[in-house]
Amino acid sequence: EVQLVESGGGLVQPGGSLRLSCAASGFTFSTSWMHWVRQASGKGLVWVSRINTDGSDTIYADSVKGRFTISRDNAKNTVYLQMNSLRAEDTAVYYCAKYGSRSYDYWGQGTLVTVSS
Amino acid sequence: DIQMTQSPSSVSASVGDRVTITCRASQDINSWLAWYQQKPGKAPKLLISATSSLQSGVPSRFSGSASETNFTLTISSLQPEDFATYYCQQANSFPFTFGPGTKVDIK
Repeated sequence: EVQLVESGGGLVQPGGSLRLSCAASGFTFSTSWMHWVRQASGKGLVWVSRINTDGSDTIYADSVKGRFTISRDNAKNTVYLQMNSLRAEDTAVYYCAKYGSRSYDYWGQGTLVTVSS
Repeated sequence: DIQMTQSPSSVSASVGDRVTITCRASQDINSWLAWYQQKPGKAPKLLISATSSLQSGVPSRFSGSASETNFTLTISSLQPEDFATYYCQQANSFPFTFGPGTKVDIK
């Protein structure tokens, strides 16, 4: 059974940092491209970032470029999202998602990030 | 960026109704269009990829089709478990973008 389990969310002040983790199991993680998608409360889905299989190629939404860093550890079957210089508008549920066949075939349960003073 | 629009934004329907949701891309996305179902407090679930490929385990009452840059999700006979919000997403080019969603609720 494929599982993606996010952790690391919480309350942080504006300008602060958080690192999200997504632990994967039930599939060959090292050959899977992984993405982060976020969703503010009551709003739609927004793509955040993507990483390729060995971590050598990453891409970001303009809204987070220069502040967020995606990475992965294939030995630990985990993908990360380091979030710095957080803003109120980054408040959202963050999902990690497995990319396959040009779509997100599996999603985690999400982790809530709240940026507030 | 490719803009995705959806219509209607919401639809009220009864069990057994046929429901059609339309998604339009602002430019050619080469059929790389997926549909997701999301229930409150839950993660999205993939229904259809590549315009019309039904995911394993998804009931056959769901189907997808396209005409140029217009894409359609059809639920042939709405069931109680289908009341949810539906999103389309283009995976042709970055940044991947989603439609604003269509909420299907009980009439």
